[in-house]
Amino acid sequence: DIQMTQSPSSLSASVGDRVTITCRASQSISNYLNWYQQKPGKAPDLLIYAASSLQSGVPSRFSGSGSGTDFILTISSLQPEDFATYYCQQSSSAPVTFGGGTKVELK
Amino acid sequence: QVQLQQSGPGLVKPSQTLSLTCAISGDSVSTTGAAWNWIRQSPSRGLEWLGRTYYRSKWYFDYAPSVKSRMSVNPDTPKNQFSLQVNSLTPEDTAVYYCARADCRGGFCYLDYWGQGTLVTVSS
Repeated sequence: DIQMTQSPSSLSASVGDRVTITCRASQSISNYLNWYQQKPGKAPDLLIYAASSLQSGVPSRFSGSGSGTDFILTISSLQPEDFATYYCQQSSSAPVTFGGGTKVELK
Repeated sequence: QVQLQQSGPGLVKPSQTLSLTCAISGDSVSTTGAAWNWIRQSPSRGLEWLGRTYYRSKWYFDYAPSVKSRMSVNPDTPKNQFSLQVNSLTPEDTAVYYCARADCRGGFCYLDYWGQGTLVTVSS
């Protein structure tokens, strides 16, 4: 199985901050990498697919980059509704695997 | 707009079988280019993909190795839904279970629609 490792596991930030979250795959996955946002009690929502493509309806302050084994999710200016947990997920090969999550909290 | 509506029990006894159903509206379980997934989430295991089914001239099935021997995902084309069965339940199977559609049309697969989630507790 391909292991997905996210860092940090949590971070504290203020509204307006630039936030970056890192995801590393245990082997090359090209750009078969997706990012999701999850709020308490809700299912995850797709933000980014294919490492850098913005899902329809997602604000442009979210962006993704990377290829191979290292990927980054960036929130350019954190908004109040962005406080949530973020997950990466690889779709290069079965079984599909997720990172452990990064919880973004209010400083 | 695709919608997924989950149904099934919230409490199951150890050693019994869990059956969950995901009813699809706005798409077809037989759509070429989609895959129909089950995922669960618990504090101890995080988000854990369980398995999927998809149609590409015939039906295909993939399962996570950790649960493969106890699990099956099945499409129901007349009812336009798919189901999950997990046998020999233990308390470690306690989790929120989600169904989700994967859009795979562009060569990349991503989970773009999710069910509402079902909290399943395994307890006597």
